[in-house]
Amino acid sequence: DIQMTQSPSSLSASVGDRVTITCRASQTISSYLNWYQHKAGKAPNLLIYATSNLQSGVPSRFSGSGSGTDFTLTISSLQPEDFATYYCHQSYSTPNTFGQGTKLEIK
Amino acid sequence: EVQLVESGGGLVKPGGSLRLSCAASGFIFSSYSMNWVRQAPGKGLEWVSSMTSSSTYIYYADSVKGRFTISRDNAKNSLYLQMNSLRADDTAVYYCARDRVAAGSPGSVFDYWGQGTLVTVSS
Repeated sequence: DIQMTQSPSSLSASVGDRVTITCRASQTISSYLNWYQHKAGKAPNLLIYATSNLQSGVPSRFSGSGSGTDFTLTISSLQPEDFATYYCHQSYSTPNTFGQGTKLEIK
Repeated sequence: EVQLVESGGGLVKPGGSLRLSCAASGFIFSSYSMNWVRQAPGKGLEWVSSMTSSSTYIYYADSVKGRFTISRDNAKNSLYLQMNSLRADDTAVYYCARDRVAAGSPGSVFDYWGQGTLVTVSS
């Protein structure tokens, strides 16, 4: 199985900050990397698919980049509603696997 | 509007069984592969099972293979997960998720999720 490692596991930041979350795959996954936002008690929300494609309706402050084994999710200017847990997801091979999550908290 | 609503969760003893359902609306259910993903308390997301639109191909995580069975009824716009021989480490919130790509193919994207149903396995 492909292991996905996110860093950091948690992050404290302020409204307006620029934030970057990284995700590393244990082997190459081409560009088959998605990002989700998850708030407690709610459905996970797709943000970015295939490394860098913004899901419809997602604010443009979210962006993704990378290839091969190393990927990043960037939030250009944090908004209050962005405080949540973020997961990367590789869909290069079955079983699909997720990173352990990055909890973004208010500083 | 796409909606996925899970149901059927609850408290069950180790070794017991439970059947989860996911009711879909707002899209042509029979055209999409579907997935079950779970989140144990305090843990991250774990893919459990997937099924292609016509039920031709089915996939399971090793952790549930032989114990869980995914199925669907396209006439009822519903996805199911039959869970047998439940263990304490199956305790989790179970989500159904729509896939843009055929299950088992590279490039899956889980574009819509339900809010989940909690399964607790405890004596």
